[in-house]
Amino acid sequence: EPEVTQTPSHQVTQMGQEVILRCVPISNHLYFYWYRQILGQKVEFLVSFYNNEISEKSEIFDDQFSVERPDGSNFTLKIRSTKLEDSAMYFCASTRGDRDPDTQYFGPGTRLTVL
Amino acid sequence: EDKVVQSPLSLVVHEGDTVTLNCSYEVTNFRSLLWYKQEKKAPTFLFMLTSSGIEKKSGRLSSILDKKELFSILNITATQTGDSAIYLCAVQNNAGNMLTFGGGTRLMVKP
Repeated sequence: EPEVTQTPSHQVTQMGQEVILRCVPISNHLYFYWYRQILGQKVEFLVSFYNNEISEKSEIFDDQFSVERPDGSNFTLKIRSTKLEDSAMYFCASTRGDRDPDTQYFGPGTRLTVL
Repeated sequence: EDKVVQSPLSLVVHEGDTVTLNCSYEVTNFRSLLWYKQEKKAPTFLFMLTSSGIEKKSGRLSSILDKKELFSILNITATQTGDSAIYLCAVQNNAGNMLTFGGGTRLMVKP
């Protein structure tokens, strides 16, 4: 069964450094998402992406964040200058985009630790 | 702002027990409600509900939605230790595709 994959599984970085989290959505899916889950808190929506542009974003997704689909398979989340409070599990998700409503399938997550 | 509240926060049962997990919501222009199971990693999709009163079933798991009272329940019968996980409820409105999640119910099934 096709799955969303994410790399790395764990990333440790110093405050102020840039990080790029990578996702490979399910191959025939057209909508891509990033969510995050701070330890002990709810899963929170960050951004959705369709047709090479952002379709929705939350208040969390400020100028420090950006997303990109650099090629036909990868979908990335960049955090330009990490803060301690960016430490969280980051989940990528994707949907087919041809049904309404549509099911979002999640990847295994990248645990980001900012020191 | 959409809101999802799940109860109980945590639950400990023994194998063979039946459990009912609750999800209440407030959402503008409701579109769908989804249940996920979260073990160590990815939230795994269980059910999507859009209409009231229609039970969705998969093996020992079932779920139903009440759009008038704004809640959903997830039932697990004959629980097994492998059912131990955090169960997440999320809602989606018609304004877009984002999911708003509840805080989850942590279920522990003891042998």
